[in-house]
Amino acid sequence: KNEVEQSPQNLTAQEGEFITINCSYSVGISALHWLQQHPGGGIVSLFMLSSGKKKHGRLIATINIQEKHSSLHITASHPRDSAVYICAVRGYGGATNKLIFGTGTLLAVQP
Amino acid sequence: DTAVSQTPKYLVTQMGNDKSIKCEQNLGHDTMYWYKQDSKKFLKIMFSYNNKELIINETVPNRFSPKSPDKAHLNLHINSLELGDSAVYFCASSHDLNSGYTFGSGTRLTVV
Repeated sequence: KNEVEQSPQNLTAQEGEFITINCSYSVGISALHWLQQHPGGGIVSLFMLSSGKKKHGRLIATINIQEKHSSLHITASHPRDSAVYICAVRGYGGATNKLIFGTGTLLAVQP
Repeated sequence: DTAVSQTPKYLVTQMGNDKSIKCEQNLGHDTMYWYKQDSKKFLKIMFSYNNKELIINETVPNRFSPKSPDKAHLNLHINSLELGDSAVYFCASSHDLNSGYTFGSGTRLTVV
């Protein structure tokens, strides 16, 4: 079992819908990252968080450290949001400088 | 003025060859990384350097050797390429161990 699990693996939504992608992890972490990979392949860092909630435009990321769970929300989704969203966690101590990745969630937003 | 630039973007080569992928960052970051993305799009850390010093070396074959001539560059040399080395290789950098990451655009390596 992967140390970082995401759900769903695939998600199709209609433009304008509210979208939630979930991430659960089984290890102690110092931070959690949400990344976006577009069809062209480039990876963009969306959020890094270790507690609470962060918001950037239509994107919101939350984390519950006790429950080892994070969610990425997209409000008023748009076809340009279509991408793979990847959750990654960073550990403690000697593992602080490596990310452990989830398998990604492929999001398709249809017009 | 790309922040993290990798070259080449595409690389097709025959089994047994030796090849290098270059990475440069102009962000003044202290830490650089190499990640491998396999055919199932799963990303995994390979190496991490902090101020030219190797700090992570995951279970990567000895055929892979990173080189960091200065903290702005982290190159990846691969000897005796095998079919299973075909993947997309991403370089990334971060200001320090507790900061967010900036990724390069990736190098798609195909070994035939």
